[in-house]
Amino acid sequence: EDQVTQSPEALRLQEGESSSLNCSYTVSGLRGLFWYRQDPGKGPEFLFTLYSAGEEKEKERLKATLTKKESFLHITAPKPEDSATYLCAVQSSSGSARQLTFGSGTQLTVLP
Amino acid sequence: SAVISQKPSRDICQRGTSLTIQCQVDSQVTMMFWYRQQPGQSLTLIATANQGSEATYESGFVIDKFPISRPNLTFSTLTVSNMSPEDSSIYLCSVEFGEGTQYFGPGTRLLVL
Repeated sequence: EDQVTQSPEALRLQEGESSSLNCSYTVSGLRGLFWYRQDPGKGPEFLFTLYSAGEEKEKERLKATLTKKESFLHITAPKPEDSATYLCAVQSSSGSARQLTFGSGTQLTVLP
Repeated sequence: SAVISQKPSRDICQRGTSLTIQCQVDSQVTMMFWYRQQPGQSLTLIATANQGSEATYESGFVIDKFPISRPNLTFSTLTVSNMSPEDSSIYLCSVEFGEGTQYFGPGTRLLVL
């Protein structure tokens, strides 16, 4: 059974204070690992897809990296508008199923 | 990517009644998914809905409780039947674009009294 564990559950940062969110996963063959941002009362917003260990992707202040066991979402010099819940999900390459298995998320608060 | 809309955006319902949620996509997609997000929790897949075939339900979800229609490549509905307060959740549809990436609708907030 695919499993995704995110840590920490909640993180409070001062504006400009860089940090990283962790996503540990176990999956029977990784088709892809996905990061989403979710604001209160809204659907998840797609950020990144990572397919293989060593891959990195960047978007503004966010950088996602992937190893064989975990992924990190690095936030550089965050701003208050980066406050949201960040979700990690995996998709298995075994069988024909295409569903995503989600972690419980990290709730990020960036204080001005 | 795709533009995905859901109706209604929110509703308050009485127990024992049913609610049908609509999901509309602005382009044709093969795979659509329905998720539930209970208060303070992450997303759980209810079912996968492919056009032209019966929906595939995940463990713990049954067709009698959550019937799904997929009449064409841009539209799907999820019905929450015989509702109880435990069904109070956000219901989300998503579509797959590219290699495995799913894009989500804005969600339907359901409160059952």
